[in-house]
Amino acid sequence: QKEVEQNSGPLSVPEGAIASLNCTYSDRVSQSFFWYRQYSGKSPELIMSIYSNGDKEDGRFTAQLNKASQYVSLLIRDSQPSDSATYLCAVAGPGYSSASKIIFGSGTRLSIRP
Amino acid sequence: DGGITQSPKYLFRKEGQNVTLSCEQNLNHDAMYWYRQDPGQGLRLIYYSQIVNDFQKGDIAEGYSVSREKKESFPLTVTSAQKNPTAFYLCATLSGGGDEQFFGPGTRLTVL
Repeated sequence: QKEVEQNSGPLSVPEGAIASLNCTYSDRVSQSFFWYRQYSGKSPELIMSIYSNGDKEDGRFTAQLNKASQYVSLLIRDSQPSDSATYLCAVAGPGYSSASKIIFGSGTRLSIRP
Repeated sequence: DGGITQSPKYLFRKEGQNVTLSCEQNLNHDAMYWYRQDPGQGLRLIYYSQIVNDFQKGDIAEGYSVSREKKESFPLTVTSAQKNPTAFYLCATLSGGGDEQFFGPGTRLTVL
């Protein structure tokens, strides 16, 4: 079983709609959760981090965390063509620090169609 | 202009050659990381370093070596022992608060 699982996609969403990206993780003691956006041929950039159950909103992005279900999601409202990218989910264990490792999912490719 | 630089951007290697990928940062971060990314895959950790003169193996360290002689620099050598080195290599640092990883632009290595 993969430690962090994501649907590889591609996920096709019409412009202006809500894109919903999902991620599950296997380690129940995980405490830190991240969403990275990666454009083709480029390096990942952090767009959201979440540490406690519930929702966290930042502009058009909302991260949702449910530790009981070991599930984290990313919602993108009013999807724009510039949102077309691969979205990587990443999970870190307790005491996240330089001594810990972050585990990345394989990413979901999102395509926003005009 | 703060950030992480990686060079070269593209690198071609003949089979049996060792090559070294450069990673330099001026963010004053202690922790640095090397990841490998294959097409359609997530990031896999090769090596990481928490402090100068110390580094730890990641999940796929075989065929790679690193050094950390300076805080700003964390070069990665891909040795001939690495049987399938063609990939996108990413260097990263960790912010002082231990919250955010910053990534360099990456080096794309191709074995001819």
